[in-house]
Amino acid sequence: GAVVSQHPSRVICKSGTSVKIECRSLDFQATTMFWYRQFPKKSLMLMATSNEGSKATYEQGVEKDKFLINHASLTLSTLTVTSAHPEDSSFYICSARDSQGSFGGGYTFGSGTRLTVV
Amino acid sequence: QQQVKQSPQSLIVQKGGISIINCAYENTAFDYFPWYQQFPGKGPALLIAIRPDVSEKKEGRFTISFNKSAKQFSLHIMDSQPGDSATYFCAARGTSGSRLTFGEGTQLTVNP
Repeated sequence: GAVVSQHPSRVICKSGTSVKIECRSLDFQATTMFWYRQFPKKSLMLMATSNEGSKATYEQGVEKDKFLINHASLTLSTLTVTSAHPEDSSFYICSARDSQGSFGGGYTFGSGTRLTVV
Repeated sequence: QQQVKQSPQSLIVQKGGISIINCAYENTAFDYFPWYQQFPGKGPALLIAIRPDVSEKKEGRFTISFNKSAKQFSLHIMDSQPGDSATYFCAARGTSGSRLTFGEGTQLTVNP
């Protein structure tokens, strides 16, 4: 089945530094990539949607200058948390959609990245 | 109109029992209804999904029941096992875009 590889699984960074999270679709072309944030015991909160080669569309309230998304190829998307602060600590998850899956496009999730900003 | 309401928030079931999780939606344009299973520290994994033109779909111990007129759908886990203990999310996709709208999640605990 479709696999999305997300790295790193855990990262601890100092306040003020930037962190990059990568998601790669291993056996399919990810025409659309979604980035979510999840707080403990809460649902997934969509941060942004990106289509390959286009600028990401951010959800209301998500700072586009803080959360930089790049989707330069059909197999790779990155989320960079810039000038991270403790309140950015969270679980970040990517999801890739291809145009060949069930019902016009299946969604495959990465394994998530636990970001801790100290 | 984009919300998906999920209940219960938590559920405790004995091994071998039936776990039932319910979801309700308002947007009649939703055309794809998946259920995801998430273990702690992991991303969600697709369990089973259904289209609105089908009233029931079964895959192994997992069944989705779909009631289009009531705008409700539910997940039934038969013969629940301790390994099923996880958080379950229902979701829905609208035809106007490709984003998924998630329910709030249900934390299922299956006692041995």
